[in-house]
Amino acid sequence: KAGVTQTPRYLIKTRGQQVTLSCSPISGHRSVSWYQQTPGQGLQFLFEYFSETQRNKGNFPGRFSGRQFSNSRSEMNVSTLELGDSALYLCASSLAGDYQTQYFGPGTRLLVL
Amino acid sequence: QKEVEQNSGPLSVPEGAIASLNCTYSDRGSQSFFWYRQYSGKSPELIMSIYSNGDKEDGRFTAQLNKASQYVSLLIRDSQPSDSATYLCAVKASGGSYIPTFGRGTSLIVHP
Repeated sequence: KAGVTQTPRYLIKTRGQQVTLSCSPISGHRSVSWYQQTPGQGLQFLFEYFSETQRNKGNFPGRFSGRQFSNSRSEMNVSTLELGDSALYLCASSLAGDYQTQYFGPGTRLLVL
Repeated sequence: QKEVEQNSGPLSVPEGAIASLNCTYSDRGSQSFFWYRQYSGKSPELIMSIYSNGDKEDGRFTAQLNKASQYVSLLIRDSQPSDSATYLCAVKASGGSYIPTFGRGTSLIVHP
């Protein structure tokens, strides 16, 4: 069974631009969570989608948004990029949102210049 | 603010020794506890979960939970160089929320 895939793997943007990241969960998994990982703050929860609905949201500004499609694929969008948004963005999928069975994708490394 | 604290390390142990990784948490209502391993440049991989006080063993790994003292630890027996990685502790509160809180991780180095 294929694992979680994320595209693109690397991205360079400039301040003020916007970016869209994509995540395809493991086949059959309906929950997708997004995380931001930085050396300074560690791994922080952004939001979780289940059956096309945002079910949980972390403490991030409204510039960070996401959505989930009927096939469970998810996208995350960051508008008006800031230098501090440079990070590794990870998505994780699970069958029904059971946190203990989350599988992480390889991540998208975003650099904002 | 719910906090999960880990010593950043690095923790250096010789091959074959026991590595002991510790994690403390602030939310007394926490119910679920997880250890993830993250190799450099890779994504986290779940290695252990524990929900009840006491020890839980899985191969060379043992997770220990003490809710009264609000700490959870991970022991790695017969440490191998391939265990060298950052170990993340994660905690989930009760109440149906799926929002987990991660520690910043402890870097483990197992030297031959």
